[in-house]
Amino acid sequence: DQQVKQNSPSLSVQEGRISILNCDYTNSMFDYFLWYKKYPAEGPTFLISISSIKDKNEDGRFTVFLNKSAKHLSLHIVPSQPGDSAVYFCAASPKTGTASKLTFGTGTRLQVTL
Amino acid sequence: GAGVSQSPSNKVTEKGKDVELRCDPISGHTALYWYRQSLGQGLEFLIYFQGNSAPDKSGLPSDRFSAERTGGSVSTLTIQRTQQEDSAVYLCASSSHRRGTVNSPLHFGNGTRLTVT
Repeated sequence: DQQVKQNSPSLSVQEGRISILNCDYTNSMFDYFLWYKKYPAEGPTFLISISSIKDKNEDGRFTVFLNKSAKHLSLHIVPSQPGDSAVYFCAASPKTGTASKLTFGTGTRLQVTL
Repeated sequence: GAGVSQSPSNKVTEKGKDVELRCDPISGHTALYWYRQSLGQGLEFLIYFQGNSAPDKSGLPSDRFSAERTGGSVSTLTIQRTQQEDSAVYLCASSSHRRGTVNSPLHFGNGTRLTVT
């Protein structure tokens, strides 16, 4: 039972354009959402997060949008740079204040071309 | 070092042998997680330690898998009688997450690539 789904295994975007990575979830108990970025042979690194009380969070070139009614979130990267080429994992966590663990999606491989 | 350290970085073992994977979390982090990533798959939760609480073992795939965390710091993941389907990258992560606080991001190590032949 895949509670966090990233339906696009890969995405190719030209440098300077916008990259949009999508994530859907099924568990209505999820309250906090994060994006992680992973380079080959390295562990994932935290990128950006959003709480369910918000619908948007922005950090530099990265913006995460949350649509609770659709149980959907997306990560926008603009402008995309070659160094953004990596695998991006969406993750979700139950309500804050409880001992919790993250549930990860299967990842989307982003390739930013010159 | 300042980050999460895992050893070994690579391990090749024969089917049926036992293996131990080690994780040194970031100093002061009370939460420690083990995940694994099989080829072409996402990150699969295995086990979670939080302070002195009983660990959440709900993700362990079989009783061949066990983990302990000594002194609230270093953790060892043990796989007994390894099988080929155990081949994966095993990732350890730590965070400063505490009850009642906003979830803190996980800090991952670089993982141990386990190959069972």
